[in-house]
Amino acid sequence: EADIYQTPRYLVIGTGKKITLECSQTMGHDKMYWYQQDPGMELHLIHYSYGVNSTEKGDLSSESTVSRIRTEHFPLTLESARPSHTSQYLCASSEFKPGPDTGELFFGEGSRLTVL
Amino acid sequence: SQQGEEDPQALSIQEGENATMNCSYKTSINNLQWYRQNSGRGLVHLILIRSNEREKHSGRLRVTLDTSKKSSSLLITASRAADTASYFCATTPYSSASKIIFGSGTRLSIRP
Repeated sequence: EADIYQTPRYLVIGTGKKITLECSQTMGHDKMYWYQQDPGMELHLIHYSYGVNSTEKGDLSSESTVSRIRTEHFPLTLESARPSHTSQYLCASSEFKPGPDTGELFFGEGSRLTVL
Repeated sequence: SQQGEEDPQALSIQEGENATMNCSYKTSINNLQWYRQNSGRGLVHLILIRSNEREKHSGRLRVTLDTSKKSSSLLITASRAADTASYFCATTPYSSASKIIFGSGTRLSIRP
């Protein structure tokens, strides 16, 4: 059973509000990821982290920011939400493996954001 | 798509039949993974195949990888109603071992 948690599961907010989506994992994984997914569509990588104090932007341009102050915590923040940010946001983590191997991703249940 | 295209986009078959999904990607990879997603939920890892492997099995799943064609296939044998879900391939580019990039997914429906 994966131990990765996202809150809130559902959020409806007005335009211009600042929001933070929380993601925590208890597996001690070094790598964490944020993906954005519209219903029935592909996942887009928006941010990832190798470990504490390391963050990288993914392939999809995003107005969100992330931080990695603790290994277990990888919050995503939108300073000023807009209707175009309406989507599902999925957090995932994996353990570090040396060389070219990639650990499997463990996903949270997602945060579904609606901006009015 | 940013890296992977999956084919078909949607597949509907009778329970008990085999389901085959295909994934094509653009850049050289270290490995390829397949994930399953039930509606509105997070993804669950199914199987990983390394770039130096050609075929891998796990229960009713069979995955093949052809790096010369930059393609992979996922076969689910003896399908069950509970296999209804979306299936995604995910690649780790050779140039970046920490990135994991997903394809567009195949929506599989199993008719009872």
